[in-house]
Amino acid sequence: AQKVTQAQTEISVVEKEDVTLDCVYETRDTTYYLFWYKQPPSGELVFLIRRNSFDEQNEISGRYSWNFQKSTSSFNFTITASQVVDSAVYFCALSEATSNDYKLSFGAGTTVTVRA
Amino acid sequence: DAEITQSPRHKITETGRQVTLACHQTWNHNNMFWYRQDLGHGLRLIHYSYGVHDTNKGEVSDGYSVSRSNTEDLPLTLESAASSQTSVYFCASSEEYPYNEQFFGPGTRLTVL
Repeated sequence: AQKVTQAQTEISVVEKEDVTLDCVYETRDTTYYLFWYKQPPSGELVFLIRRNSFDEQNEISGRYSWNFQKSTSSFNFTITASQVVDSAVYFCALSEATSNDYKLSFGAGTTVTVRA
Repeated sequence: DAEITQSPRHKITETGRQVTLACHQTWNHNNMFWYRQDLGHGLRLIHYSYGVHDTNKGEVSDGYSVSRSNTEDLPLTLESAASSQTSVYFCASSEEYPYNEQFFGPGTRLTVL
C-alpha cells in the first residue's frame, strides 16, 4: 500500500502566487519522521525539511512553511510569493522509526511550475 | 567536503547486457540506498545496505543486485538489462537514525535499447 500520497501531479502558478503542496501519509508507527525534498530541473535531490511525529508545531522558514497535522495524517508545504527558481519537483517522504529501519518511502512527487 | 558520487552519469546499453552503476560516498555513512525514478512513481527503493557485507531487497529489487565490501561503495548491478530498467538511478546515504536525512548522488540516466 502506498504510504505517502501526493495527490497533486502538477501545479502551475504565476510568480508571486502562493503554492501549497499536499502530502498524506499512512503509518502504524507512533514515532515517525516526515521529509520534503526538492528536485530542480538540474536533477539533484535537495533536502528541505524534517519533522518528527512528536512535534506538531508548524514552521516558517523564509518563504517556506509547513503544516503538520497528525489528526489528518497530513504534512503540507507552502511556498509564499513563489519565484521562478521554485520551479521543481517536490517529494514528500516518510521514515518509520521501527527498530533499525532507516528506509524512506517517497510520494510520487508534485511538479511545480512558476511562470514569470 | 564530503560528497556522494555516481558513475557513469549517462549510460546506453543493449538488452541482455550486464551493467554496473557505481556509487561512492565520503560521508563515512553506514547506510546506503539505491532508488530508481520513473515518471508517476517518484523514487522507488531497489536495494539498501546498513553496513559492510549487509544487503537488503527493496520494493523493486528483481533484476538487480548489490554488494557492500567497504563503507564507501555500493555498486548496483543489472544482471541482464531489460528495457523496463530504463530509468534514472539515484544512490543515497545516511547516518544511522531514522530522523537523519538521506544525501543523494547526482543520478545516473540509464537507457536500455
